[in-house]
Amino acid sequence: AQSVTQPDIHITVSEGASLELRCNYSYGATPYLFWYVQSPGQGLQLLLKYFSGDTLVQGIKGFEAEFKRSQSSFNLRKPSVHWSDAAEYFCAVGAVSGGGNKLTFGTGTQLKVEL
Amino acid sequence: NAGVMQNPRHLVRRRGQEARLRCSPMKGHSHVYWYRQLPEEGLKFMVYLQKENIIDESGMPKERFSAEFPKEGPSILRIQQVVRGDSAAYFCASSPSGLVADTQYFGPGTRLTVL
Repeated sequence: AQSVTQPDIHITVSEGASLELRCNYSYGATPYLFWYVQSPGQGLQLLLKYFSGDTLVQGIKGFEAEFKRSQSSFNLRKPSVHWSDAAEYFCAVGAVSGGGNKLTFGTGTQLKVEL
Repeated sequence: NAGVMQNPRHLVRRRGQEARLRCSPMKGHSHVYWYRQLPEEGLKFMVYLQKENIIDESGMPKERFSAEFPKEGPSILRIQQVVRGDSAAYFCASSPSGLVADTQYFGPGTRLTVL
């Protein structure tokens, strides 16, 4: 069965600093990988996704992620963090199950941005 | 184009009562997924439905939980005889098809509190 590990529960960065959120996955085949962001009291918004092709994926809000098969990782990055980026970030792997795309999520990383 | 709608946003029930959570998918989407988020945890898949069919309910507790997605109207997640452990945020997502490549669009969630 697939699984996702986000080793950092909380991360604090200063506004303007660079950001990297870690994600490791376990999946037997070619993974379908996603990053979602959740603001307090809100639903999840897709930042970016990877299926195949270029291993560096560009997303919304200036985020990017790099798929590294050898490390089973899909880390999320942003060169310069804005205060509005404070939220919880979830990495997920998609797998076909019963005919549909079932997402398996990590436990999330809570990002705090210091002004 | 309205997004995924969920209601109610907040629901309080006493132990033993029934909870009904509603989800209206995005226009044109016929695939619905339900996920549960327990405090301090990531989202966990519960059930995947297409119109009038349950496709994958591998994540649903065996008892007290049921889901439907009728031909007309919203998808309903029903929890009978709620217990304190059912307190969580329940998210619905929809997609135009069940393909892994499809993005799942999430609603704002229903936060269930069981007293």
